[in-house]
Amino acid sequence: TQLLEQSPQFLSIQEGENLTVYCNSSSVFSSLQWYRQEPGEGPVLLVTVVTGGEVKKLKRLTFQFGDARKDSSLHITAAQPGDTGLYLCAGNTGNQFYFGTGTSLTVIP
Amino acid sequence: ETGVTQTPRHLVMGMTNKKSLKCEQHLGHNAMYWYKQSAKKPLELMFVYSLEERVENNSVPSRFSPECPNSSHLFLHLHTLQPEDSALYLCASSQDQAGGQDTQYFGPGTRLTVL
Repeated sequence: TQLLEQSPQFLSIQEGENLTVYCNSSSVFSSLQWYRQEPGEGPVLLVTVVTGGEVKKLKRLTFQFGDARKDSSLHITAAQPGDTGLYLCAGNTGNQFYFGTGTSLTVIP
Repeated sequence: ETGVTQTPRHLVMGMTNKKSLKCEQHLGHNAMYWYKQSAKKPLELMFVYSLEERVENNSVPSRFSPECPNSSHLFLHLHTLQPEDSALYLCASSQDQAGGQDTQYFGPGTRLTVL
């Protein structure tokens, strides 16, 4: 069983479209991270959210932490080919990190 | 540049070879991690070190042997590997071992191919 489930697993969209990626769990996290990983490279940290209901914006990316700190979403506005990659969420329970299954995003020019 | 470096970036080895992967973090962190990432599978945590002490070993075969000589360096020694061990090996560090609202920072990884 996977502690963190991400959906969708794969997503292919046209440039300019909007999308939302979800990260869900039945466990409570003290913090949650989102990473983007390109092929052959390590995951690069995008954001850390720590407060239930928190919303953080990073240019065209909007991250939200669920009120109960069990889930999170990543919304991308007007996607660009440079957004292509594997998006990973990771939760910190206070004594261990858990990683999601990942969402592979392809943005077609 | 995340402050975590890994060498080599690519490694091809035979099943009878012995090689080592190196990780160095320049962030002043106390915890370091080795992960294995295979195609279409979630990240698998292999080893965790906190203040140079191994605190977790997730049922990893003995052909993988970690070493943490100080809080900035982490090695993964490899010997008699199998083709199914081919994967991207990622090193990460965090301020402490998943304490509180801690965050992990990753290196670029070593792409390992076992022939």
